[in-house]
Amino acid sequence: SYELTQPPSVSVSPGQTASITCSGDKLGDKYACWYQQKPGQSPVLVIYQDSKRPSGIPERFSGSNSGNTATLTISGTQALDEADFYCQAWDNSTVVFGGGTKLTVL
Amino acid sequence: QVQLQESGPGLVKPSQTLSLTCTVSGGSISSGGYYWSWIRQHPGKGLEWIGYIYYSGSTHYNPSLKSRVTMSVDTSQNQFSLKLRSVTAADTALYHCARVSRYGSGSGFDYWGQGTAVTVSS
Repeated sequence: SYELTQPPSVSVSPGQTASITCSGDKLGDKYACWYQQKPGQSPVLVIYQDSKRPSGIPERFSGSNSGNTATLTISGTQALDEADFYCQAWDNSTVVFGGGTKLTVL
Repeated sequence: QVQLQESGPGLVKPSQTLSLTCTVSGGSISSGGYYWSWIRQHPGKGLEWIGYIYYSGSTHYNPSLKSRVTMSVDTSQNQFSLKLRSVTAADTALYHCARVSRYGSGSGFDYWGQGTAVTVSS
């Protein structure tokens, strides 16, 4: 079965750029999506089709996908961005999620 | 604004069947264009896709759960449902329903329910 691998945790200072990676075999040949989940809340889609932002998602969230790695980048990270982030891709007709990355803003 | 709301028992005994329903408001399941999905999250863990159903009734399930899962749709009630058979403690989780566009493999789950917690215990 297809697998997506994320680092368990990423730390960033306020105002700096955070990068969260998601690795999978030939992931660049598929589309990647990203979700932000804050404690006690449902996940929120922040990036779809590798780099598109849904309405209402701040411009500081961006995405890329090439080779075996998709990357979520948060520019000018704010304290309110602290959350768990999950990548997701489609493998044929099956949905696959990464294990999640806890982003800490300190 | 589309809204999804899960409902069902919060406690299920081992070996029994977990049954949940997701009620959709602000949009019609019958309008097509979307897959209606179930996703669960074990306590303190990540997201696990269970499967999805189209308004026509066609389904696709996670291979790891396929033998125990059945999804159905009731367009008259604008609801879709999940049944998970022979549950164990490992099925204790927060169960979400969510919507994803069927057009384009890069679509993400754009609307989610708040989730309903299910505990499997005797």
